Amino acid sequence: GAVVSQHPSWVICKSGTSVKIECRSLDFQATTMFWYRQFPKQSLMLMATSNEGSKATYEQGVEKDKFLINHASLTLSTLTVTSAHPEDSSFYICSARDVGEQYFGPGTRLTVT
Amino acid sequence: DAKTTQPPSMDCAEGRAANLPCNHSTISGNEYVYWYRQIHSQGPQYIIHGLKNNETNEMASLIITEDRKSSTLILPHATLRDTAVYYCIVRVNNAGNMLTFGGGTRLMVKP
Repeated sequence: GAVVSQHPSWVICKSGTSVKIECRSLDFQATTMFWYRQFPKQSLMLMATSNEGSKATYEQGVEKDKFLINHASLTLSTLTVTSAHPEDSSFYICSARDVGEQYFGPGTRLTVT
Repeated sequence: DAKTTQPPSMDCAEGRAANLPCNHSTISGNEYVYWYRQIHSQGPQYIIHGLKNNETNEMASLIITEDRKSSTLILPHATLRDTAVYYCIVRVNNAGNMLTFGGGTRLMVKP
């Protein structure tokens, strides 16, 4: 199956700093990528949908100025958590859509201290 | 997309078949049934999907009732590595449609 990678797999940062998470589709081109967030013992919640070359569409309640998404190429999308706070600590998962199916990255665990 | 209902947790003995049910009574005619699983601290993994016929692949079998209002995912010989949260999702299969996750079923495979 198609492979989606994320980098880094985990990151610890101080409150007030910004963190960038990369999502890559390794063996296919993804016109659409999705970003999810998962808090402990909860299900995945969709944050935003990004299409290559255009602005991301954010779900209700997700601050677009805080969670900056860039989808500059068909194989790369980035999520930047700006001015991170402890409540942003979570498991961030990206997903990329191939012709048929939606494939998920391994996730990035963000801890804000 | 139609809503799904799954039991929050199930246990299964190692080596036995694990049968995970899912109710989707409001499914529309053009909505597929998808199953994903998420092992602890990993991204979701695609398992199988179907529209109305039963499907089988190397991982599992999917049985969909004739009225399509429910389905069962079958892991024929569960192993400890099958311990995970299993998500049943129904959605229209088009390029822009994302997956929306419900609570899923936490399957615990026990020795």
